[in-house]
Amino acid sequence: DAGVTQSPTHLIKTRGQQVTLRCSPKSGHDTVSWYQQALGQGPQFIFQYYEEEERQRGNFPDRFSGHQFPNYSSELNVNALLLGDSALYLCASSLPPGSGNTIYFGEGSWLTVV
Amino acid sequence: GENVEQHPSTLSVQEGDSAVIKCTYSDSASNYFPWYKQELGKRPQLIIDIRSNVGEKKDQRIAVTLNKTAKHFSLHITETQPEDSAVYFCAATGFQKLVFGTGTRLLVSP
Repeated sequence: DAGVTQSPTHLIKTRGQQVTLRCSPKSGHDTVSWYQQALGQGPQFIFQYYEEEERQRGNFPDRFSGHQFPNYSSELNVNALLLGDSALYLCASSLPPGSGNTIYFGEGSWLTVV
Repeated sequence: GENVEQHPSTLSVQEGDSAVIKCTYSDSASNYFPWYKQELGKRPQLIIDIRSNVGEKKDQRIAVTLNKTAKHFSLHITETQPEDSAVYFCAATGFQKLVFGTGTRLLVSP
């Protein structure tokens, strides 16, 4: 929702290249999660960062890595890009992992791998 | 791990009719159930959510019900309007890791 910012909004990369996506969480939120949404599918959880550590990880290969900075912003890195990595990458922010905290999505980064 | 099933995959209604989308989840530890609306080319937008200590929640034309025993939750939209046309996703989580349903494409015809 409003307040979660992502960059860049659109980018095109070549197979084998590396990409870095960035996210700033909503003010007051310190937990950032990343999701991949392929065309026509629901978002899939990649991983979650809290207190600068990866706390949970979905079923994604090690080519997908991330980082959280002291100001709670986060990066998603994808190495050795494949055509199948083409998707909308969504950043979500929330309060610390716990019971029923509302999760808000940013506008997303559209990645096309050619 | 959690698994969320969503039905129907496509729903066509006439303007003014009601629409109901149903989801089931597998993990009894899940305690937060949001619904997102996604328009073409845009991000999922939270429209309503419900927590496990509540059975029903309503916000104007939108309502969500939760049956913890049956592990079912549903989205109800009344008096549908053409601008309600979009893809709707249900999701479930117990620890901030959202597991999404497969989505329902809702088409509201004038």
